[in-house]
Amino acid sequence: KNEVEQSPQNLTAQEGEFITINCSYSVGISALHWLQQHPGGGIVSLFMLSSGKKKHGRLIATINIQEKHSSLHITASHPRDSAVYICAVMDSNYQLIWGAGTKLIIKP
Amino acid sequence: KAGVTQTPRYLIKTRGQQVTLSCSPISGHRSVSWYQQTPGQGLQFLFEYFSETQRNKGNFPGRFSGRQFSNSRSEMNVSTLELGDSALYLCASRSWEGRGYTFGSGTRLTVV
Repeated sequence: KNEVEQSPQNLTAQEGEFITINCSYSVGISALHWLQQHPGGGIVSLFMLSSGKKKHGRLIATINIQEKHSSLHITASHPRDSAVYICAVMDSNYQLIWGAGTKLIIKP
Repeated sequence: KAGVTQTPRYLIKTRGQQVTLSCSPISGHRSVSWYQQTPGQGLQFLFEYFSETQRNKGNFPGRFSGRQFSNSRSEMNVSTLELGDSALYLCASRSWEGRGYTFGSGTRLTVV
């Protein structure tokens, strides 16, 4: 079993829909990252969370430490949000353990 | 401020050759990490350097090595290239352990 599990693996939605991507982990963590990777490979760090909730524009990330679960939400989704979203947890040695990613396609 | 710069962006090498990739972190960031991304294995940690010292190493063969210079720039070297080394190599920097990462755009290596 992978230490970081993301769901769904693939997600296709219509423009304007509310998107939720989930991440569950089984190790002790010091922080959790949500990252966005566009075609071509560039990775952008969206959030780093250790508790609670963070919001940036249309993106919201939450984490429940007790349940070892995090969610990334996108409100009013847009085709430019199409990308791979990756959850990565930072373990006690400050190393990142990666999820497999969720490929999101937003259709106009 | 400038982001993390990786050079070259694209590289084609022949089996058996060696390759050196470069990563210049954000000014002031002392930690540089390297990752390999392949379609089959996803993102995998290679190693992390902090103040010129390798702090952690992933599960890669000895053909993969790296170093960090006094200006925090880092290089990654792969010797005796194999076809399976074809991948996107990503570099990330951070100021210290508690902070988030900033990623470079990556170097796409193709081994033929």
